[in-house]
Amino acid sequence: DQQVKQNSPSLSVQEGRISILNCDYTNSMFDYFLWYKKYPAEGPTFLISISSIKDKNEDGRFTVFLNKSAKHLSLHIVPSQPGDSAVYFCAASRNTNAGKSTFGDGTTLTVKP
Amino acid sequence: DAGITQSPRHKVTETGTPVTLRCHQTENHRYMYWYRQDPGHGLRLIHYSYGVKDTDKGEVSDGYSVSRSKTEDFLLTLESATSSQTSVYFCAISDPASGAYEQYFGPGTRLTVT
Repeated sequence: DQQVKQNSPSLSVQEGRISILNCDYTNSMFDYFLWYKKYPAEGPTFLISISSIKDKNEDGRFTVFLNKSAKHLSLHIVPSQPGDSAVYFCAASRNTNAGKSTFGDGTTLTVKP
Repeated sequence: DAGITQSPRHKVTETGTPVTLRCHQTENHRYMYWYRQDPGHGLRLIHYSYGVKDTDKGEVSDGYSVSRSKTEDFLLTLESATSSQTSVYFCAISDPASGAYEQYFGPGTRLTVT
């Protein structure tokens, strides 16, 4: 049973437009969510996070939205740049076990110049 | 960037041989993790450690063992490597007690079992 799902394996957008990456989760006990970005031949790097007490968190061009009732979160990148082309992983944690995260399978974003 | 190194970075080994991967950190973070990444499977947790000599299994722990005798080092051992263990292995660290749940990843080790 996959508790964190990224249903779109890939996404292609034009430079300057918005990229929206989606993530769904099934475990209602998750209360902290994170996004990571991964370039080929490198380890993932932390991008942005959100606590379940919020519904939005913004950091520059990156915004994460959380809809707890739908068990859905999304990452918005505006404007998209070619350097944003990477694999994006969604992850979820529980405050009672903050050391563990469950990851989705990732979405490959391609931003075309 | 967090100070995390992995060694070796690449390894080719034969089925049935033992293999040990090393993760070293200079951040004094309490938690350390080993993940494997395979096409279509994202990052799957193998084992993790929440302190020296304190370890626990992840979702894909069969065939793997770990040890942590010092805060800075976390070893992953494949006792008898199989072709199904061909993968890219990532070590990660975190310090949730500080209030930050994000993990910092090493550069990865590409392991090929022939």
